[in-house]
Amino acid sequence: DAGVIQSPRHEVTEMGQEVTLRCKPISGHNSLFWYRQTMMRGLELLIYFNNNVPIDDSGMPEDRFSAKMPNASFSTLKIQPSEPRDSAVYFCASAGQMNTEAFFGQGTRLTVV
Amino acid sequence: AQSVTQLGSHVSVSEGALVLLRCNYSSSVPPYLFWYVQYPNQGLQLLLKYTSAATLVKGINGFEAEFKKSETSFHLTKPSAHMSDAAEYFCAVSDNTDKLIFGTGTRLQVFP
Repeated sequence: DAGVIQSPRHEVTEMGQEVTLRCKPISGHNSLFWYRQTMMRGLELLIYFNNNVPIDDSGMPEDRFSAKMPNASFSTLKIQPSEPRDSAVYFCASAGQMNTEAFFGQGTRLTVV
Repeated sequence: AQSVTQLGSHVSVSEGALVLLRCNYSSSVPPYLFWYVQYPNQGLQLLLKYTSAATLVKGINGFEAEFKKSETSFHLTKPSAHMSDAAEYFCAVSDNTDKLIFGTGTRLQVFP
C-alpha cells in the first residue's frame, strides 16, 4: 500500500481564495483524521470521520473550514475564504480498528499571502 | 476529556547519552498511549504504543516507554542517543474512541 496520500504537497494562495486539500486514506481503514500543525499551536485535531461519517468536528476553527468524506477512499478539507492565519501544515491520517495506529500522510504546507 | 502534557519543548543530549522525553496524561478511562516521531518535512510515524498489555513497551529504533498509572506518566527513553534520533517527538492519548489527542511535542537535538 502506498500509505496515506495527500495533495497537493505545497499550496500558495492569496487571501480570500478557496483552498481544497485532498486525502486518500489507506485502503481498508475506517477512520480518517485531519490535523493542523503550526509552531504556535502544535498539532490540532480538526475533524475525524468513522466509516465516512463525521464524528467530531469540534476542532474546526470556524465556518470557513469544511470537510467531506464522500466515500471510503477520499476526503477533502476546504477553506473558503482563506486567510493568512490559516497558513500551516495540514495532515491527514487514517486508522483501522479502534485505538490502533494512525498512519499519517506527508502533509500539505499551505501558505496564504 | 483526555489530554497529554509534554514537559520540555526542547531536549539536547550528546551522542551516546541517555534520552528521556517526558509525557504525562489525563484520561477519565484507561488510556491508550502512543509516541510518534516526526522528521523534518515528514508526517508522523509511530514509535510505540501502550494498549493495556505490558507496562514496558518497546518500540522501533531502540526506544521504549513505561506506563506508570500511579504517576499518570508515559515517558520515552533510549539508552544511547544517535545522531539520527534528532527529530520532534509527540506523545498522544486516546480513550475508547478513535479520537487521538497529541501533546505539543518535544524537539530532540543530538550533539556529537
